[in-house]
Amino acid sequence: EAGVAQSPRYKIIEKRQSVAFWCNPISGHATLYWYQQILGQGPKLLIQFQNNGVVDDSQLPKDRFSAERLKGVDSTLKIQPAKLEDSAVYLCASSSIRQGPPYEQYFGPGTRLTVT
Amino acid sequence: AQKVTQAQTEISVVEKEDVTLDCVYETRDTTYYLFWYKQPPSGELVFLIRRNSFDEQNEISGRYSWNFQKSTSSFNFTITASQVVDSAVYFCALKRAGNMLTFGGGTRLMVKP
Repeated sequence: EAGVAQSPRYKIIEKRQSVAFWCNPISGHATLYWYQQILGQGPKLLIQFQNNGVVDDSQLPKDRFSAERLKGVDSTLKIQPAKLEDSAVYLCASSSIRQGPPYEQYFGPGTRLTVT
Repeated sequence: AQKVTQAQTEISVVEKEDVTLDCVYETRDTTYYLFWYKQPPSGELVFLIRRNSFDEQNEISGRYSWNFQKSTSSFNFTITASQVVDSAVYFCALKRAGNMLTFGGGTRLMVKP
C-alpha cells in the first residue's frame, strides 16, 4: 500500500511570495490533515478535512493560508503572501474511518519551506 | 484544554545505555488516546505505539517499553540497550474525540557509539 505522498519536498521562497503544497493521501482514506511543524517544536494541526468538507480549521491563519480538497482525494495547501515565520515543515497525514477509533494517522514525508 | 509536556528537550546517551523519555499530559476527557511517534532525520513521523485511556497495561515491544499511569497523567517511553539508529526526535501525542492530535514539543535523543 502506497503511503502519503507530498510534493515538493523542499521549497525556498522570498517573503511576500506565494507557495503551494500538494498532498495525496493513502487510497481510501477519507480524512486528511495538514500540520505545521516549526523547527524544534511538535506538529500543530492547521486543518482537517473529512472527504471534501472542512472539519476543523481553527488554527489556520486564514488571512494568508488556504487549503482545499475539491474531489475528496488529494489536497493543496497555499500560503499567500508568505512571511518569515512561515518557515517550517508542512506535514500531511491521512486516516481511515473504516478502521474505527482512534483513526490512526499516517504521515507523509513533509515539505520543508524556507522563507527568506 | 489539551496539553502534552515533554520536559526533556534533549538527551544524550552512550550506546547500550537504557534511556527513558518522559511524557505528561492534561485532558478533561475520560476517553482519549496516547501515542508515541519517532521522527528520524528524514523527517517522516513514524508511529510507535498507541494506548487508550482504559488500558493501563504496560507494553513491551523488543527494546521498547511504555509505562502508562493515569494517576500521574504520564506515558513514559523506555529504550533498553539503546543503539545509534535510535537517534531521532520522539514525540508524545494525545488524541481526543474528533480526531485532533495534540503533540508535545518532542525530545531529541542522541545515541553516541
